Amino acid sequence: GNSVTQMEGPVTLSEEAFLTINCTYTATGYPSLFWYVQYPGEGLQLLLKATKADDKGSNKGFEATYRKETTSFHLEKGSVQVSDSAVYFCALKIPSRGSTLGRLYFGRGTQLTVWP
Amino acid sequence: NAGVTQTPKFQVLKTGQSMTLQCAQDMNHEYMSWYRQDPGMGLRLIHYSVGAGITDQGEVPNGYNVSRSTTEDFPLRLLSAAPSQTSVYFCASSPTGAGTEAFFGQGTRLTVV
Repeated sequence: GNSVTQMEGPVTLSEEAFLTINCTYTATGYPSLFWYVQYPGEGLQLLLKATKADDKGSNKGFEATYRKETTSFHLEKGSVQVSDSAVYFCALKIPSRGSTLGRLYFGRGTQLTVWP
Repeated sequence: NAGVTQTPKFQVLKTGQSMTLQCAQDMNHEYMSWYRQDPGMGLRLIHYSVGAGITDQGEVPNGYNVSRSTTEDFPLRLLSAAPSQTSVYFCASSPTGAGTEAFFGQGTRLTVV
């Protein structure tokens, strides 16, 4: 089946620390991979994505590389800010027809808190 | 461009009451879905639709109904509210293409007392 596993939170860091949030997946076929971010009281919004192996998605200083050999898509940022405090979701989407067409599969989310 | 609009943002219901959560998108997306978000559970798929007139069940469909009469609208109906349905509900839409992302509404915080 299709599923996403991401590291348990919460993650608490000081400002300017290095961030890694691990994400691994299981998928039928060749998925596209996404990171979404949810700020307090808001809906999810796309942070970055990668659609094929070895692609690197990047946005707002965050990066993630699509690693087919390890089925991973870990999120990294070199220097976090207080404003990065949010919940981060890893997700996959597979190219298919039928009942899974268009569906996103989400991990459980990782709460990040950054202290000044 | 409004994107995905959900109403209401907050709602309190009594056990046994029914209500409809509204969702509309203006991006002509084929795929629409409803999720509920509970602490420690992430996002769980309730129902989804791949186009007007086509709906299907997700992981947690019991107690909910949907219909898709137009491309734009995908309402979620709670038939007889229960305290277990207290949650934050999100509607999302996307094209069906493999590399395309979903766009989310701002959410509806529902409390059933």
